[in-house]
Amino acid sequence: EPEVTQTPSHQVTQMGQEVILRCVPISNHLYFYWYRQILGQKVEFLVSFYNNEISEKSEIFDDQFSVERPDGSNFTLKIRSTKLEDSAMYFCASSEGWDRSQASTGELFFGEGSRLTVL
Amino acid sequence: TQLLEQSPQFLSIQEGENLTVYCNSSSVFSSLQWYRQEPGEGPVLLVTVVTGGEVKKLKRLTFQFGDARKDSSLHITAAQPGDTGLYLCAGAGVNTGFQKLVFGTGTRLLVSP
Repeated sequence: EPEVTQTPSHQVTQMGQEVILRCVPISNHLYFYWYRQILGQKVEFLVSFYNNEISEKSEIFDDQFSVERPDGSNFTLKIRSTKLEDSAMYFCASSEGWDRSQASTGELFFGEGSRLTVL
Repeated sequence: TQLLEQSPQFLSIQEGENLTVYCNSSSVFSSLQWYRQEPGEGPVLLVTVVTGGEVKKLKRLTFQFGDARKDSSLHITAAQPGDTGLYLCAGAGVNTGFQKLVFGTGTRLLVSP
């Protein structure tokens, strides 16, 4: 069964360092997402990406964050200068897409997550 | 800011009992999804409800979307230990749809044999 894969599974970094989290979405999917979950808190939307550009982003997704689809298979999240409060589980997800008029299921397939620890 | 509050936060029951989890908001959503998350894994979609008042059944799980599309419930009949996990509701905004899900605060369910 196709799945979303994420690397690394766990990364420890020093505050101020740059981090890149990598994701390989399901191959025929068109929408890509990053969500994060701080320990003990709810899952929070960061950004969605479609047709090689950001389609939606949250207030969390500030100038320190960027996303890229460099080669048609990988989807990356870069945090330029990590802060302590960036420590969280970061989930990548992908979907076939959705059509408002057809009310598709809009199923997001999530990866297993990358745990980021900022010291 | 759209918020989804789930209740209860924690639920510990015996095998065979019934339970209901609630997901409430003051905002209207175009659709609402329920996910289940196991430790160390990402959320997995259980169901999507789209129409106000809609009821969907998935074996022993019954999902309902409120008439006003602001709330939802998940009812489990005769819970089993395999139902143990974190249940999350997630709303799709009227303007943003599934591009930007708002997740609920989560309900952690423990079903003991």
